[in-house]
Amino acid sequence: EAQVTQNPRYLITVTGKKLTVTCSQNMNHEYMSWYRQDPGLGLRQIYYSMNVEVTDKGDVPEGYKVSRKEKRNFPLILESPSPNQTSLYFCASSADRADTQYFGPGTRLTVL
Amino acid sequence: AQTVTQSQPEMSVQEAETVTLSCTYDTSENNYYLFWYKQPPSRQMILVIRQEAYKQQNATENRFSVNFQKAAKSFSLKISDSQLGDTAMYFCAFMFYTGNQFYFGTGTSLTVIP
Repeated sequence: EAQVTQNPRYLITVTGKKLTVTCSQNMNHEYMSWYRQDPGLGLRQIYYSMNVEVTDKGDVPEGYKVSRKEKRNFPLILESPSPNQTSLYFCASSADRADTQYFGPGTRLTVL
Repeated sequence: AQTVTQSQPEMSVQEAETVTLSCTYDTSENNYYLFWYKQPPSRQMILVIRQEAYKQQNATENRFSVNFQKAAKSFSLKISDSQLGDTAMYFCAFMFYTGNQFYFGTGTSLTVIP
């Protein structure tokens, strides 16, 4: 089954404790992306990747890191999480940048 | 940053009726892509419809169609014969033709009333 998986689905952590949210797709997609969704703000793109080793900043990259060492994986790293990073996070992938994006199920992150 | 505006935070429609969700955007570019995504209560984001700006014909997918007014920078979504399963948050999104970044609106929460 074609899908985008994210782990964990839910995470409660404390300020400053490094964490990684994993994202994996099994569709051999070139383009991958991370978004955060906040009430009243819609979705905002954090980082995106056009291919392996090619990543670029979206609208709200501060406080986040990503890597694309393999085509299928695109982890989101929060080196020192802060409460303002409490949000719902989505990973997405598409065959090409303007094609249909397939979204993961979301990760609900709470930073205390 | 690119601006995508959805001016209707919430809407409701009777089952089997037609509803139109509005979206406007701000750009000086001539070529770009526009999208509508749906997020039902399950939170799973799903593409509803996609439009390329250079195509004059409005995109249609079954009960979903768009009214693309390029000069007015408007991209509204029409849902015909609304069904209970259409209850969801709907997001309008924009991408430059030569760009790699997505810009989403703030969403419209649609409730279909039985």
